[in-house]
Amino acid sequence: EPEVTQTPSHQVTQMGQEVILRCVPISNHLYFYWYRQILGQKVEFLVSFYNNEISEKSEIFDDQFSVERPDGSNFTLKIRSTKLEDSAMYFCASSGDSLGVGEQYFGPGTRLTVT
Amino acid sequence: GESVGLHLPTLSVQEGDNSIINCAYSNSASDYFIWYKQESGKGPQFIIDIRSNMDKRQGQRVTVLLNKTVKHLSLQIAATQPGDSAVYFCAENIKAAGNKLTFGGGTRVLVKP
Repeated sequence: EPEVTQTPSHQVTQMGQEVILRCVPISNHLYFYWYRQILGQKVEFLVSFYNNEISEKSEIFDDQFSVERPDGSNFTLKIRSTKLEDSAMYFCASSGDSLGVGEQYFGPGTRLTVT
Repeated sequence: GESVGLHLPTLSVQEGDNSIINCAYSNSASDYFIWYKQESGKGPQFIIDIRSNMDKRQGQRVTVLLNKTVKHLSLQIAATQPGDSAVYFCAENIKAAGNKLTFGGGTRVLVKP
């Protein structure tokens, strides 16, 4: 069964450093998403991406965040200058094909620890 | 995928019994609802969805009920198995506004053998 994959599974970085979290969505999907989950809190939407541009973003997704689909298979989330409060699980998800949006399939997540 | 929270409500269920997990959603404009299951170390896994023009939908061993009057969603799991032990999240969406999912706080289900 096709699945969303994410790398790395755990990333430790120092405050102020840039990080790039990587995702490989399901191959025929057209819609891509990033969510995060701070320990003990709800899963929160960050951004959605379709047709090579951001279609929706939350208040969390400020100028420190960016997303990119550098090739036909990868979808990345970059945090330019990490803060302690960026420590969380980051989930990538994908959905949809030419017939419609469909359900969102989530990857296993990347645990980001900012020290 | 750690979804453990110090204040997660927990439902303990005997193996073989039925489970009912409840969710109060926040936005009366939401018209699409999904239940996700999250096991330790994994991302949310889709279980079942329902649109607002329905009040009940059944899947394999699972049933989702939607009460729009009181903004309440429930997930029923029949004949609960040890593999059902996980954290369960409801999520809501307004289709016309985009694909953003708004998640609830989660319920931990513990299945006792």
